[in-house]
Amino acid sequence: GAVVSQHPSRVICKSGTSVKIECRSLDFQATTMFWYRQFPKQSLMLMATSNEGSKATYEQGVEKDKFLINHASLTLSTLTVTSAHPEDSSFYICSAPGYTFGSGTRLTVV
Amino acid sequence: GDSVTQMEGPVTLSEEAFLTINCTYTATGYPSLFWYVQYPGEGLQLLLKATKADDKGSNKGFEATYRKETTSFHLEKGSVQVSDSAVYFCALSLIQGAQKLVFGQGTRLTINP
Repeated sequence: GAVVSQHPSRVICKSGTSVKIECRSLDFQATTMFWYRQFPKQSLMLMATSNEGSKATYEQGVEKDKFLINHASLTLSTLTVTSAHPEDSSFYICSAPGYTFGSGTRLTVV
Repeated sequence: GDSVTQMEGPVTLSEEAFLTINCTYTATGYPSLFWYVQYPGEGLQLLLKATKADDKGSNKGFEATYRKETTSFHLEKGSVQVSDSAVYFCALSLIQGAQKLVFGQGTRLTINP
């Protein structure tokens, strides 16, 4: 079946720095990738949809300049959290069409 | 707007007990419905799904039936195991092919030996 590889699984960064999270489709091509965020003990909320060859589509209330999404190729989508702050600490997870999820990235900003 | 409501957790059961986790939805169209499971420290795994009314999704002993009349998709298992301890999410997808998911709040299930 379809496999989505997400890296890193955990990252700790200092406040003010940027962190890049990668999602790769290993055995299929994905023109679209969905990015979700999950705060502790809460549900997953869709942040944005990345589109290969065009701009990402962001959900209402998500800062485009803080969460940079790039769909560089048919097998790679990246989420960069810029100028991270402690309130950005969360679990970020990607999903490819076909409802396959990556393993998630736990980001802690200190 | 479209939404999913799950029974509040946490739920704690003994091994071999019967499990029901309630899920109801509100949608303007005809959604596909899903149950996902998240084991500790891991991402989400699709457990089962149903795409139209009266469909029954099943996997690993879990079942859920798409009930349009009650807008529900309750998850059931006849005999739970310790290894079923996880967080379970009910979700819907409204647009066929777009596959954006709206999730419920999740239900944490703990099974004691």
